[in-house]
Amino acid sequence: EIVMTQSPATLSVSPGERVTLSCRASQSVNSLLAWYQQKPGQAPRLLIEVASTRATGIPARFSGSGSGTEFTLTISSLQSEDFAVYYCQQYNSWPRTFGQGTRVEIK
Amino acid sequence: QVQLHQWGAGLLKPSETLSLTCAVYGGPFSGYYCNWIRQPPGKGLEWIGEISHTGSTNYNPSLMSRVSVSVDTSKRQFSLKLSSVTAADTAVYYCMYSGRNFNYWGQGNLVTVSS
Repeated sequence: EIVMTQSPATLSVSPGERVTLSCRASQSVNSLLAWYQQKPGQAPRLLIEVASTRATGIPARFSGSGSGTEFTLTISSLQSEDFAVYYCQQYNSWPRTFGQGTRVEIK
Repeated sequence: QVQLHQWGAGLLKPSETLSLTCAVYGGPFSGYYCNWIRQPPGKGLEWIGEISHTGSTNYNPSLMSRVSVSVDTSKRQFSLKLSSVTAADTAVYYCMYSGRNFNYWGQGNLVTVSS
């Protein structure tokens, strides 16, 4: 099983700031990595797939990069609606596995 | 526009079988993967298993002995069964319907296991 490790666990940020979230895989997942955003009481929403492709309707301020074992989600200028928990997930092999999440909170 | 609606029993006793159904409304019903994912209260996401448009299934080894995912293509419905539940299975359960260029989630069902 591939273990996904996200850092940091919590990020305190002011609106307008640039945010970088990290996700590391215990072995290569090639580029088969997705990022999800989850707000309280809601289902997760796909932001990024194949490491760097924005899902339909996702604003350009969200970008993903990386391949192999190291991945990054960047939010160029944090908006109020972006405060949420972010998860990475690999789908290169079974079982699919998620990181433990990074909570982005208001500073 | 594709919408998912899921339903099933919300309160189970230990040793009972969890049964959830996820219906897909709108859009084509092809080239898909249906994943079931759960989230214990206040915790992260756990992948349970999936079924593809070819009918092939894959399961989380930690649940494999108890889990089954199926599809009824005529009804556009996916189903999850998890047997012999315990309190550790208490979680919000989600279905996720995805494929090339699409990814939709059900609203989630809280399933509580308690005697």
